[in-house]
Amino acid sequence: DAGVTQSPTHLIKTRGQQVTLRCSPKSGHDTVSWYQQALGQGPQFIFQYYEEEERQRGNFPDRFSGHQFPNYSSELNVNALLLGDSALYLCASSLEGAAISNEQFFGPGTRLTVL
Amino acid sequence: DQQVKQNSPSLSVQEGRISILNCDYTNSMFDYFLWYKKYPAEGPTFLISISSIKDKNEDGRFTVFLNKSAKHLSLHIVPSQPGDSAVYFCAAIRVSGANNLFFGTGTRLTVIP
Repeated sequence: DAGVTQSPTHLIKTRGQQVTLRCSPKSGHDTVSWYQQALGQGPQFIFQYYEEEERQRGNFPDRFSGHQFPNYSSELNVNALLLGDSALYLCASSLEGAAISNEQFFGPGTRLTVL
Repeated sequence: DQQVKQNSPSLSVQEGRISILNCDYTNSMFDYFLWYKKYPAEGPTFLISISSIKDKNEDGRFTVFLNKSAKHLSLHIVPSQPGDSAVYFCAAIRVSGANNLFFGTGTRLTVIP
């Protein structure tokens, strides 16, 4: 049973470019959340997708957008990249309505470097 | 606004001794707390959790204690093993809200053989 997978593993972009990160949730999970982890910080919640809709959003600008597909996989898009967007981007999946839906399973992350 | 705080960036403990990792939170609406462990190049892995209706939860060598009045929780690892060396994140959630976790900044635990 595959866990949460993310692609690519690493990515280097320049300021002003756009980037798309991908996530496949753990088998049986239907909810995907995205987090940004800057160096030396804890993960910060970006947004969460359920039933192909953004359900909740953290304190991130509109440059950060996402999508969830019918198979529950998800994409995170960041436009007009800034140097400060350099971080590890983590995807987490969970099952809505499960008895312990609070326990999210994380992927290994995508390391984004903006030059 | 950091709603979950881990004030110790690092902790070193001898193998076999107890490791105590601390976490404080400011939002009284949080009602479920989790600890995650993170190795380099891997995502955080769920370790143990506790509901706000309890003050202790134990799972093998790991015990989490919750003091709601002080808005403080701690993770005890006994006995500590070298394989426990990792970054530990405390996280909190409001169960009645959406499932987004609020994380602390992490504590790097080093268990010395």
